[in-house]
Amino acid sequence: EIVLTQSPATLSVSPGEDATLSCRASQSVSSNLAWYQQRPGQAPRLLIYSASTRATDIPARFSGSGSGTEFTLTISSLQSEDFAVYYCQQYHEWPPAFTFGPGTKVDIK
Amino acid sequence: QVQLQESGPGLVKPSQTLSLTCTVSGASISSASYFWSWIRQPAGKGLEWIGRIYSRGSSDYSPSFKSRVTIFSDTSKNHFSLKLNSVTVADAAVYYCATGFIVETGNTFSVWGQGTVVTVSS
Repeated sequence: EIVLTQSPATLSVSPGEDATLSCRASQSVSSNLAWYQQRPGQAPRLLIYSASTRATDIPARFSGSGSGTEFTLTISSLQSEDFAVYYCQQYHEWPPAFTFGPGTKVDIK
Repeated sequence: QVQLQESGPGLVKPSQTLSLTCTVSGASISSASYFWSWIRQPAGKGLEWIGRIYSRGSSDYSPSFKSRVTIFSDTSKNHFSLKLNSVTVADAAVYYCATGFIVETGNTFSVWGQGTVVTVSS
């Protein structure tokens, strides 16, 4: 099973600043990586798939990069609604054993 | 627009079977363009993929659940269901059903239900 680790566990950012979140895979997942945002009390929302493609209706301030084992989610100029927990997910394994990272909480500094 | 709604008992006794159903609207559960998954989230913790059903009844399960889980569909009701056997308190969580439009976003979860809380207690 591919294990994902995310860093940092918590990121304190001021509104208007940029945030950089990392996700590392225990073995290569090629570009088969997605990012989700989860606000308190809500279901997760797909932000990014294929490592760098924004999902439908996701603002351009969210961008993803990376391939293989190292991935980054960048949120430019954080807005109040962006303070949430972010998870990465790999979908590379076959037979599928989709796994999520433990999450990074972005909170207000 | 695809929408999902979970339903089922909110309380299950230890050693019994947890049964949940996800009702699908806006898409046919028989469509080869989608897969239909269950994901859970224990309180204050992260997300765990349980398994999925797709392509007219084919299924895949997480190794962590494979020995005690079944996911199946009812095309006449356009819903799919989860059965998790021999539950313990560790199975208490919010259970989500989720789907993805394979040809567009691959094996990612682009639509989620609101989630249903399951408590395990005698």
